[in-house]
Amino acid sequence: NAGVTQTPKFQVLKTGQSMTLQCAQDMNHEYMSWYRQDPGMGLRLIHYSVGAGITDQGEVPNGYNVSRSTTEDFPLRLLSAAPSQTSVYFCASGVSYNEQFFGPGTRLTVL
Amino acid sequence: RKEVEQDPGPFNVPEGATVAFNCTYSNSASQSFFWYRQDCRKEPKLLMSVYSSGNEDGRFTAQLNRASQYISLLIRDSKLSDSATYLCVLRAGNQFYFGTGTSLTVIP
Repeated sequence: NAGVTQTPKFQVLKTGQSMTLQCAQDMNHEYMSWYRQDPGMGLRLIHYSVGAGITDQGEVPNGYNVSRSTTEDFPLRLLSAAPSQTSVYFCASGVSYNEQFFGPGTRLTVL
Repeated sequence: RKEVEQDPGPFNVPEGATVAFNCTYSNSASQSFFWYRQDCRKEPKLLMSVYSSGNEDGRFTAQLNRASQYISLLIRDSKLSDSATYLCVLRAGNQFYFGTGTSLTVIP
């Protein structure tokens, strides 16, 4: 049981590049979410999903897309990277609205 | 206005001390409350849920005051291993809101 896995662990992009952050969980959780964590800002919700085929926006969705074709996977796509998207990204999953289990994070730098 | 406000600290306390953190929230419709712990450069992990009647887990006690819209965390007999950032979290509808965290360092 691997829990929540995220790849890559580290990534450097140039402004304007696109990329996908991968997130997978093997706990059969319906609820999955993406956060970004910036100094002094706390974790902020980007997008979330309450089940396969269902996604919705969080606090800071602009510049990001998500899809949920399976229960296990919830990738986050950066469409055209900007320096303001430099952050640590965490994926989380959980049973309904209780404890959220977090992945180890992806540290993204946009130059 | 932020959904969740926390004193960032830092709190530096000696081993064995008792320390308390408070957190205020603005959305009176908030439905669930939690304390998470985050070690440096690691992911957050659930410390405990917070119930209206208050709840205790070993050296940790959490309280919720819905009338005043705050939650608290009390740590008794602090250990070196308690050094971390403590995040106040609430759920409103389908979304979770995190505080910026309170940094605790327990000193030998």
